[in-house]
Order: sequence, then structure tokens, then C-alpha cells
Amino acid sequence: AQSVTQLGSHVSVSEGALVLLRCNYSSSVPPYLFWYVQYPNQGLQLLLKYTSAATLVKGINGFEAEFKKSETSFHLTKPSAHMSDAAEYFCAVIKGNTGFQKLVFGTGTRLLVSP
Amino acid sequence: DAGVIQSPRHEVTEMGQEVTLRCKPISGHNSLFWYRQTMMRGLELLIYFNNNVPIDDSGMPEDRFSAKMPNASFSTLKIQPSEPRDSAVYFCASREPGLGIDEQFFGPGTRLTVL
Repeated sequence: AQSVTQLGSHVSVSEGALVLLRCNYSSSVPPYLFWYVQYPNQGLQLLLKYTSAATLVKGINGFEAEFKKSETSFHLTKPSAHMSDAAEYFCAVIKGNTGFQKLVFGTGTRLLVSP
Repeated sequence: DAGVIQSPRHEVTEMGQEVTLRCKPISGHNSLFWYRQTMMRGLELLIYFNNNVPIDDSGMPEDRFSAKMPNASFSTLKIQPSEPRDSAVYFCASREPGLGIDEQFFGPGTRLTVL
């Protein structure tokens, strides 16, 4: 069954530092993987997605993620953190067949950015 | 477009009371999803409607939970009777016909506290 695991419930970085949020997946079929962001008091927004094309995926706000099959990972990175990046980030995978699919989310990682 | 609208934004109630959460999807969207977010379990899909018909309700925790979608512009999630462990943020999301499962637009959520 498809699932994702996010390592670290909280990640703290300084403004301008590299952001690295970890996600590992488990899937018996080639996975479709996603990163979502949730700003305070808001719903989730899609950051980027991997759908078996290029392994390096670029998303909004300077974020990118690399699909590594050998490591079963889909880590999210941003070269330089901004205060506005402070939010909760969720990794997700599609579960199910073409008849009915649903998103299965990780438990989330809260990114804290300090000045 | 106003986006997905949820009401109320916050609800505080006492154990045993009935709670009704409301969702208005984006006009033209034909899929609607109810999610629950807790610290312990993360974000879980409760039920999914397509063209007002419940497609998958396997995530509904128990008989105390029920969801309806009487028309394309309105859905409710009801908890009767409510219990403290139902305290969570409940999200509604909608999706346009023909788009992938990841293309969901989330509402701002309803924060439910059951005392």
C-alpha cells in the first residue's frame, strides 16, 4: 500500500539558510508524489508534484523536490529560507487505482524560520 | 472566486451535543472531500463525494459521523453525539471535473473543540 513518512515534526532554520524537509515513500507501483503547504489558519495548497516525468521538480516560491527511487525519497528543498516560508508542509502520495484514488498525507513538518 | 467556504470557522461545544459543519465548494467543482486533521493522526480523508454521491466513506470514524451533499453547492458533516476525541480541524476540499486527485482546493477549515 502506498504511504509516506515525514521525518521530523519540526524543522528550524535561520532566514537565508537552506531548507530541507524529508519525505520517504512506500509504494508497490511507481508513485505520484506531492508536497503541500499550509499557512496558519488556511487550507492546504499544492506546492509541487512528481508524476514520473523529470525527477527534479520545481514548484512555487522557489521550492523544489527530487525523486530518488534508490532512496525511496522525495525531499523538499529551498536554497534560502524566507520568513514567509514559515508554515506546515505535508508530503502526500496517491493511493488506489484509476477507478478511485485518494491522497494519503504524511503527518506534516512545521517549518520555523528565525531572523 | 471566493474559494471553498466553510462554516463555522471555530466551534466549541460540550460532549454529547450535535455538531454540524458546513461546506460550500467552488462553483463548477463536482468532487468534494472532507478531511480531519489531528496532531496524532495527521490529515485523514473522511469521505469523498462525486456529483453529490458518496463514493468512499471508509474513512468515517464511526456511526456518530454522517455526511450529506444535497446539491452541488452544499455539504454537511454532522457529529452526533460529539465526544472530546472528535476535537480536530475539519477541512473541506473541492475539485474541478477532469482534473487529477491532487488538484483539490482546500477551505480554511473548521476548528472543533469538544469539551
